[in-house]
Parts: sequence; structure tokens; C-alpha cells
Amino acid sequence: QKEVEQDPGPLSVPEGAIVSLNCTYSNSAFQYFMWYRQYSRKGPELLMYTYSSGNKEDGRFTAQVDKSSKYISLFIRDSQPSDSATYLCAMSARTGANNLFFGTGTRLTVIP
Amino acid sequence: DTGVSQNPRHKITKRGQNVTFRCDPISEHNRLYWYRQTLGQGPEFLTYFQNEAQLEKSRLLSDRFSAERPKGSFSTLEIQRTEQGDSAMYLCASSPSGSTDTQYFGPGTRLTVL
Repeated sequence: QKEVEQDPGPLSVPEGAIVSLNCTYSNSAFQYFMWYRQYSRKGPELLMYTYSSGNKEDGRFTAQVDKSSKYISLFIRDSQPSDSATYLCAMSARTGANNLFFGTGTRLTVIP
Repeated sequence: DTGVSQNPRHKITKRGQNVTFRCDPISEHNRLYWYRQTLGQGPEFLTYFQNEAQLEKSRLLSDRFSAERPKGSFSTLEIQRTEQGDSAMYLCASSPSGSTDTQYFGPGTRLTVL
């Protein structure tokens, strides 16, 4: 079993829709949770960074962490065609951790 | 551009050849990481440097792989006697030390082994 599970999609939504992306994990030591966006043939770009449980909002993006359920989510409001990319969740057990554990990524397409 | 840079962006080589990739991290970051990403998968950790010291290596990093960061600035990743299974995107990331550090990725080097 992988430490981080993520539905690979693909996911297609119309422009303006609310998108929900999710990951589950098995390691209860994970405390730091990140979402990266990766465009085709590019490196991952950090979108959101959260510590422990709770919500964090940044513009159209909201990250949620539920440590009791070992479940994290990323919500995208008013989705735009430019949001079309692969979204990767990542997590680590401590700050400054030597390595991040990534999900497989969910490929999102926002249709104009 | 002050982000992480990687060269070359693409490399095509024949099986059995040696290849070397370079990563230039964000200048004030003392931590540097190498990851490998295959199609449809998330990045997998390979190795980590703090300044010039290589502090951790994944079991994925076979003895054909070697990484260096001689002066604590840029890093190189060399693969000897390449195999077709080495075909992947090789990603470099860097982060500052501190309580809220996160890893910032470069654009990657895509390796194709024929």
C-alpha cells in the first residue's frame, strides 16, 4: 500500500465549476501538507502549504486537512481553463523533512 | 529568473551511456533535493543535500547513480551505464532552512534512454 493515495482522474469540469481534489494517507506522523500544480512537461509549482488540521484559503483555492480521517482536500472555486493541470498532494512528517511523499496526481481539465 | 534551474531540459541517450544533469538552486537555499518522476506518477525522492553534505539517499538511488554538491551551491546527478528503466523526469528542488521551509522545484530534465 502506498503511503499517499490520490485518485488519478482524469477530471473534466466546465469553466466556473467548483473542483474538489482529495488525497488519503496512512502515516499518522505526517503533519505538513502541500498541494502542487504541475503543467505538462514542467516542474511542480507549490500552491498551498498547511500544517496539521484545519483550513487555509488563498484566493480561489482552499486546502483542508482532517488528520483524524487522514484525508486532505483542495477546493478550486470558479475554475478557469488556466487551472487545467495535474494537481499533486504531498506531505511530510516534519518541517525541513528530507523528502516529501507525493500522491500520483489528479489530471484536471477545465472546459471553456 | 531567480527560481531553480536545471540543465539540460531534455537528454536522449543510448543504453549503456553515462549522463550528467545539473541543478542550480535558489541562491539563498541551503537544502537541495533530487526526485525522479515517471509518467503518471508523483515525484519519488532520490537524495538530499544540506549545503555540500549528502545526508540522505533513497534505496531508489542504485550504485549507478551519484550526486554531488561540491561547494554547497549547484548540484550534479550522474547516471552511469544507463538503462531503459532510467527514462524519467529528474526533478531538483531546493528549500531554505527554517521553520516553514517548503520545497521549490525546477523544470526538470527529461531523460530518454533508447
